[in-house]
Amino acid sequence: EAEVAQSPRYKITEKSQAVAFWCDPISGHATLYWYRQILGQGPELLVQFQDESVVDDSQLPKDRFSAERLKGVDSTLKIQPAELGDSAMYLCASSLGETQYFGPGTRLLVL
Amino acid sequence: GENVEQHPSTLSVQEGDSAVIKCTYSDSASNYFPWYKQELGKRPQLIIDIRSNVGEKKDQRIAVTLNKTAKHFSLHITETQPEDSAVYFCAASLSSGYALNFGKGTSLLVTP
Repeated sequence: EAEVAQSPRYKITEKSQAVAFWCDPISGHATLYWYRQILGQGPELLVQFQDESVVDDSQLPKDRFSAERLKGVDSTLKIQPAELGDSAMYLCASSLGETQYFGPGTRLLVL
Repeated sequence: GENVEQHPSTLSVQEGDSAVIKCTYSDSASNYFPWYKQELGKRPQLIIDIRSNVGEKKDQRIAVTLNKTAKHFSLHITETQPEDSAVYFCAASLSSGYALNFGKGTSLLVTP
């Protein structure tokens, strides 16, 4: 069964450093989402792509976060500079219809 | 925007008992309501979903009910087993192609 892939699984960085996360959605899924999940809470949308276009980035802190999906397939989420409050799980999901399939996430710890 | 509230935040039941988790939503335009199970350190997995044109859906020991008038929906797990222990999230969205708005989760513990 096809799954969403993410890397790295874990990332430890110091504040003010740059970090990048990668997501490979299920083949053929046009819609890709990046969510942030703070410990003890539900995932919250950061950015949504339809193919290579951004559909919703209203909750993305654009002063430090950026996301791209250049060829409409895999995607990269970047944080520069990282802050202590960015420590969280970053989940990628993809969908063809209503059902969203999640990747295993990247757990980020900012020291 | 959509606001989803979920209760309780923690739930402990004995094996074989039933568990019920309740969610409310604020946007009457929402019409898709999935439930995800997330085990420790693992990805959220869809366990059941319901659309606004349906009042109830069942899949073996799991059922979901939806009351659109009251804007609330519930997850029912019968004959609970220790492997049901996990965090469960409810979510709501407008329809296909829209992001999910999640509740804060319910940590379910099933004790043998």
